[in-house]
Amino acid sequence: GDSVTQMEGPVTLSEEAFLTINCTYTATGYPSLFWYVQYPGEGLQLLLKATKADDKGSNKGFEATYRKETTSFHLEKGSVQVSDSAVYFCAPGADKLIFGTGTRLQVFP
Amino acid sequence: NAGVMQNPRHLVRRRGQEARLRCSPMKGHSHVYWYRQLPEEGLKFMVYLQKENIIDESGMPKERFSAEFPKEGPSILRIQQVVRGDSAAYFCASSRYRDATGKNEQFFGPGTRLTVL
Repeated sequence: GDSVTQMEGPVTLSEEAFLTINCTYTATGYPSLFWYVQYPGEGLQLLLKATKADDKGSNKGFEATYRKETTSFHLEKGSVQVSDSAVYFCAPGADKLIFGTGTRLQVFP
Repeated sequence: NAGVMQNPRHLVRRRGQEARLRCSPMKGHSHVYWYRQLPEEGLKFMVYLQKENIIDESGMPKERFSAEFPKEGPSILRIQQVVRGDSAAYFCASSRYRDATGKNEQFFGPGTRLTVL
């Protein structure tokens, strides 16, 4: 079945450091790819998405590129802030989103 | 614009009781999805509904769980005779439509945290 693998957390960074969170997936066909963010005690918010190969999704300084050849959708940000501390979920899918266990990011001043 | 609304936000039940979780989709959205998040885990798909129809219930446990999305009113996820293992956060998401490829953006509610004593 479809699945997604994310790097395990927590990822601990100092403010203004570079962030990469790896995500690879297995899926039937060519799903859309999403990154969601979950702040403590809240639901998931869509961070960015890409719907076809080589598309780059971007939002709030975060970027991810749909790499069909490596079935990956790694999340990057050039300079993280304390307010970016949250759990990040990579999710391929169509009607049914497939979530990994999430990667917790902790940013310290 | 109001987002996806879920209530209650927190629900405590004793073993054997029933739990009813409600989800009101965003205005103009006719597709609803339910996910369950067990402690320290990712979200797992449960069921996908359109108005008055269940489209995909492949993630629903075979017993005790049911879902509906009536023509009027919110979507309801119902858990009968709850057990401790049902303790989790239940998230609802909605989308406006299904595009030609079946891919659509889902907007999530804040979740209902169910605790079974």
